[in-house]
Amino acid sequence: GENVEQHPSTLSVQEGDSAVIKCTYSDSASNYFPWYKQELGKRPQLIIDIRSNVGEKKDQRIAVTLNKTAKHFSLHITETQPEDSAVYFCAGGGSQGNLIFGKGTKLSVKP
Amino acid sequence: NAGVMQNPRHLVRRRGQEARLRCSPMKGHSHVYWYRQLPEEGLKFMVYLQKENIIDESGMPKERFSAEFPKEGPSILRIQQVVRGDSAAYFCASSPRGAPGLDTQYFGPGTRLTVL
Repeated sequence: GENVEQHPSTLSVQEGDSAVIKCTYSDSASNYFPWYKQELGKRPQLIIDIRSNVGEKKDQRIAVTLNKTAKHFSLHITETQPEDSAVYFCAGGGSQGNLIFGKGTKLSVKP
Repeated sequence: NAGVMQNPRHLVRRRGQEARLRCSPMKGHSHVYWYRQLPEEGLKFMVYLQKENIIDESGMPKERFSAEFPKEGPSILRIQQVVRGDSAAYFCASSPRGAPGLDTQYFGPGTRLTVL
């Protein structure tokens, strides 16, 4: 079955800097990779997702890249703001199985 | 369009009691997933249901846990004879189609279960 590893587990950046979170997956059949943001005590919210027919997707300050050959995908947040502070989860899935989540990255943006 | 609804938001039970967690999917969604989240950890898949059917319960403990999604009404996750280790946040998600590894899942606010 699928296994998703996420790094780093914690990340601290200065406001305005960029943040990068990386995930690797094991199942080459996986082709859907969403990213969720979870603020303390709240629900996970989808912020961006990518499917295997594209290599990169952007939405304002957020971008996700996918390398199917290497089986890894990354979340990039530019011009970070204090409100970006949260736990971010990557996930991977395909037609044969459920979404498998990484263990999360706690991002702290210092003003 | 209301999002995924869960109730109660907080539930306190004593060891040995039963816990019932409810989830109403988004309007138009007929696929429901339950996840468990322990403090400082990720989301662990428990069960995937469609109306009146359990599709995949591979992540759910064989004993004390059960789930249903009746034709009418919310999906229910039931935990019998709760133990302290059941204390966690339980999230429900829903999607419009039946491809759990491909379909966007939208999460509810969660039920935080505390077992005393």
